[in-house]
Amino acid sequence: AQSVTQPDIHITVSEGASLELRCNYSYGATPYLFWYVQSPGQGLQLLLKYFSGDTLVQGIKGFEAEFKRSQSSFNLRKPSVHWSDAAEYFCAVGRDFNKFYFGSGTKLNVKP
Amino acid sequence: EAGVTQFPSHSVIEKGQTVTLRCDPISGHDNLYWYRRVMGKEIKFLLHFVKESKQDESGMPNNRFLAERTGGTYSTLKVQPAELEDSGVYFCASSQETAADTQYFGPGTRLTVL
Repeated sequence: AQSVTQPDIHITVSEGASLELRCNYSYGATPYLFWYVQSPGQGLQLLLKYFSGDTLVQGIKGFEAEFKRSQSSFNLRKPSVHWSDAAEYFCAVGRDFNKFYFGSGTKLNVKP
Repeated sequence: EAGVTQFPSHSVIEKGQTVTLRCDPISGHDNLYWYRRVMGKEIKFLLHFVKESKQDESGMPNNRFLAERTGGTYSTLKVQPAELEDSGVYFCASSQETAADTQYFGPGTRLTVL
């Protein structure tokens, strides 16, 4: 069965510190992988996506993610977090015209 | 280019009442999806339209939910009668015919059933 796990419900980091949000998935075929962010009062914004090729993908706002097939993971990283990054982050998997499967989300709090 | 829009942004209704949510996809996007997030859990798929046809409605919770997409443009999701467990945030997303792998999401409608 397809599923996405985001093991960290809440994470707090200091501004300027590095960040890694974890995402593990279970999918029957080679999935397409996505990270979305939802800022307070906003909708879901696409940060980055992986379809194929280079397993390290760059996204907007300085984020990157690395696909590791052997670990069924697609972790999101940022070298230096800004206060404006405080939001909820969602990992999703899907393929072609099919529905997406989402994780439960990770809420990021940034300390000044 | 305008993004996916949803109306209303918030709705508070009594149990047993009817509510209709609307989604306007990005112009030219034939694929339209509805998702729901209940009480901080994962975002779950409800259904998928291709133009005006329902491609996949496997996620619809029960027959109190009715989705339509007249003319293959905007879509409505009606809940009748609403129950307490229907509370949550309803998201709409759309994608292109030729690049259907990326779904663009609207801001969501927060539904509260009292």
